[in-house]
Amino acid sequence: QVQLVESGGGVVQPGGSLRLSCATSGLNFKKYGMHWVRQAPGKGLQWVALIGIDEKRKNYVDSVKGRFSISRDNSRNTLYLQMNWLRSEDTALYYCATELIRPVEGTKAFDVWGQGTMVSVS
Amino acid sequence: QSGLTQPASVSGSPGQSITISCTGTSSDVGAYIYVSWYQQHPGKVPKLIVYDVSNRPSGVSNRFSGSKSGNTASLTISGLRAEDEADYYCYSYTTSDTLVFGGGTRVTVL
Repeated sequence: QVQLVESGGGVVQPGGSLRLSCATSGLNFKKYGMHWVRQAPGKGLQWVALIGIDEKRKNYVDSVKGRFSISRDNSRNTLYLQMNWLRSEDTALYYCATELIRPVEGTKAFDVWGQGTMVSVS
Repeated sequence: QSGLTQPASVSGSPGQSITISCTGTSSDVGAYIYVSWYQQHPGKVPKLIVYDVSNRPSGVSNRFSGSKSGNTASLTISGLRAEDEADYYCYSYTTSDTLVFGGGTRVTVL
């Protein structure tokens, strides 16, 4: 069974830093791109960043460019999000998620999300 | 990177059909087939219910169906049930190799 478990959230002052981790299991991690998605309290979902199967492909939502950095360690099956210069508007529940997984041509696709880790900037 | 536009709320009676629209641009919804829909119940993790405009993952009811015309995607829920009451989000890949969500639609079953 595929599992994603986020950690590293907490309370931090504006201008501070945090590093989120997403440990995966039951997944051939190195084969799939990964995403970070966040949800501010009472608000909608916002895509934050993606990383390809290696570190050559990385993209970010404009509001975090230059402050956040996504990375992965395929030997540890773990995804990371380094967050610097945090602002109050970064307060949210941060989810890691796989890209859409397409097992075999003609079969149904799926994705997997973690339960999220809360980041509060105050 | 503007978000996709969804109605804030849609409601319907049990058994009815409702449709949620998701309007983007030629750089996202209109550019590819890579439009997905997620269902999120309060306090729960989002669940994929439609991908590639109109495909359903295994285990998702065929009461959920998706379509797209130009820059607007739509999710239809037929035979509305009490358990369908949730927030629904559209999600699209973009020509900038990024992704974008809609603002979300609260579905209320009357």
